[in-house]
Amino acid sequence: SQTIHQWPATLVQPVGSPLSLECTVEGTSNPNLYWYRQAAGRGLQLLFYSVGIGQISSEVPQNLSASRPQDRQFILSSKKLLLSDSGFYLCAGDRIRYEQYFGPGTRLTVT
Amino acid sequence: KQEVTQIPAALSVPEGENLVLNCSFTDSAIYNLQWFRQDPGKGLTSLLLIQSSQREQTSGRLNASLDKSSGRSTLYIAASQPGDSATYLCAVRDEKTSYDKVIFGPGTSLSVIP
Repeated sequence: SQTIHQWPATLVQPVGSPLSLECTVEGTSNPNLYWYRQAAGRGLQLLFYSVGIGQISSEVPQNLSASRPQDRQFILSSKKLLLSDSGFYLCAGDRIRYEQYFGPGTRLTVT
Repeated sequence: KQEVTQIPAALSVPEGENLVLNCSFTDSAIYNLQWFRQDPGKGLTSLLLIQSSQREQTSGRLNASLDKSSGRSTLYIAASQPGDSATYLCAVRDEKTSYDKVIFGPGTSLSVIP
């Protein structure tokens, strides 16, 4: 089975600062990769998904971007953070139509 | 547009009780349905995956059923324990999107009282 690694676990950043969250996958090749955000008391919002290196699709227009420089690496970035970017960010991976696995998440607080 | 709902939003039961969590989806064109567990401040842990051609899946004290035609799934937890306290989410993999999009329900918050 695959394992999803995320870091950092927690992050406190001032408004206007840049952001880089990293996700790596172990135990499978050519996975689909996803970035979700979970706001306090709310459901999961899909932000980005990727079916391969350099292939990124965005679900929601926002202040964030994603990149996939390697098959098992997925990065979430921002040039200038907003207060509204605070939340719990989750990376997930799967093979086509198979079970989806999640990483431990990153708690981002923008102050 | 596929929508997933879960009832109840919250549930509190005494230890040892059997319980059922419900998940409904509006469009029956799905590849599979997955149940997850989320502990506070943690990622999601996959519990059970049911393919669209299957009726149920079992793992230990957990049993998940799927009625694709009626757009419903249930998660049955036998002999509940305090360690089962968590939020349970169901998610469907939609057949009609151009990629493997997974749509999540809002979750049911379960509290098992010792």
